[in-house]
Amino acid sequence: SAVISQKPSRDICQRGTSLTIQCQVDSQVTMMFWYRQQPGQSLTLIATANQGSEATYESGFVIDKFPISRPNLTFSTLTVSNMSPEDSSIYLCSVVAPGGYTGELFFGEGSRLTVL
Amino acid sequence: EDKVVQSPLSLVVHEGDTVTLNCSYEVTNFRSLLWYKQEKKAPTFLFMLTSSGIEKKSGRLSSILDKKELFSILNITATQTGDSAIYLCAVNTGTASKLTFGTGTRLQVTL
Repeated sequence: SAVISQKPSRDICQRGTSLTIQCQVDSQVTMMFWYRQQPGQSLTLIATANQGSEATYESGFVIDKFPISRPNLTFSTLTVSNMSPEDSSIYLCSVVAPGGYTGELFFGEGSRLTVL
Repeated sequence: EDKVVQSPLSLVVHEGDTVTLNCSYEVTNFRSLLWYKQEKKAPTFLFMLTSSGIEKKSGRLSSILDKKELFSILNITATQTGDSAIYLCAVNTGTASKLTFGTGTRLQVTL
């Protein structure tokens, strides 16, 4: 398994501002992902955070809106830029644990953002 | 477009009941199907299924996959209030562990 710490746990933000969410893993992991869960909805993959290169974004998500950093194999950040109320969601970091099966993800506790 | 559909959307049962949650999928490249339990924010892993007809079991929970009919079920026997959660089904469709999630089934177990 893997222990994943996310910060902040929750925040209330003003429209037009940006917020950076941090994800720290207790072991080196190859695969790290960022998901979004809008109210009442399921999880949607935003991007795969690649160590040492640009993140790979899913359809509907762009780097200008959700810039991602992955400076090493244990840490990543997701920034939600120029926020609007539609960005109010839980943002979740997830990893495949070392030695874990492909597809078996472990999730951080999530960051609940409310945009006013 | 890959699709994962869960039913029912929500369910209320009494403690001790047995429940069956359903997950059907239409994807272009199936690798595995996973079940997660989400109580507050972080989903926790329950099962991963790759082969048809082989039941995975953990305590009161069990799951099975039918790759011909493209569905899976999650059974919970002798439900307890601690089973109250959202149960998420997801399908891994690629080599990069990317998952497509269903909308989940919200289970509430009452006394």
